Amino acid sequence: GENVEQHPSTLSVQEGDSAVIKCTYSDSASNYFPWYKQELGKRPQLIIDIRSNVGEKKDQRIAVTLNKTAKHFSLHITETQPEDSAVYFCAAGASGGSYIPTFGRGTSLIVHP
Amino acid sequence: ETGVTQTPRHLVMGMTNKKSLKCEQHLGHNAMYWYKQSAKKPLELMFVYSLEERVENNSVPSRFSPECPNSSHLFLHLHTLQPEDSALYLCASSQDLITNYGYTFGSGTRLTVV
Repeated sequence: GENVEQHPSTLSVQEGDSAVIKCTYSDSASNYFPWYKQELGKRPQLIIDIRSNVGEKKDQRIAVTLNKTAKHFSLHITETQPEDSAVYFCAAGASGGSYIPTFGRGTSLIVHP
Repeated sequence: ETGVTQTPRHLVMGMTNKKSLKCEQHLGHNAMYWYKQSAKKPLELMFVYSLEERVENNSVPSRFSPECPNSSHLFLHLHTLQPEDSALYLCASSQDLITNYGYTFGSGTRLTVV
């Protein structure tokens, strides 16, 4: 089955800095890679996703890159703000059958004002 | 609420109690899931339902019993739980098992077993 590793487990940055969270996956058949943000006491929410037919996707201050050869994908947040503080989860999975993603352990991002 | 509603939000139960968690989705999705979220651990998939049929039981102990009476409702029946079952239980839904458009999660039930 799929195995997803996520690093770092904790990331502390100053407001305005960039933050990068990286995930690696093991199953080369995986083709859908969503990212979820979970603020303290709230539900995880899908913030961005990427499919294996593209290498990069951007939405305002967040972007995701995918390297299929190396089997890793990363979340990039620019100009971080205190409201970006949350736990971020990556996931990977393959369509073509029953798509049930495997989640990473999560990264706790702390943005200091 | 954003479409997936879970009740109760908090639950404290003794090890000999029987209780049920409820999840309801208003999105017209055909797949629903139960996940367990514990501190410092990845999200653990428990059960998957597609069109009211259970398609995956991820080696979950029998003290957890799911029920999906229709595609909008999902229950998790709990009995004789252990303290290590204390966690946040998240319900999620998706369009179906094949279309990759991500999950919509509920707010979760914070369960404490005493």
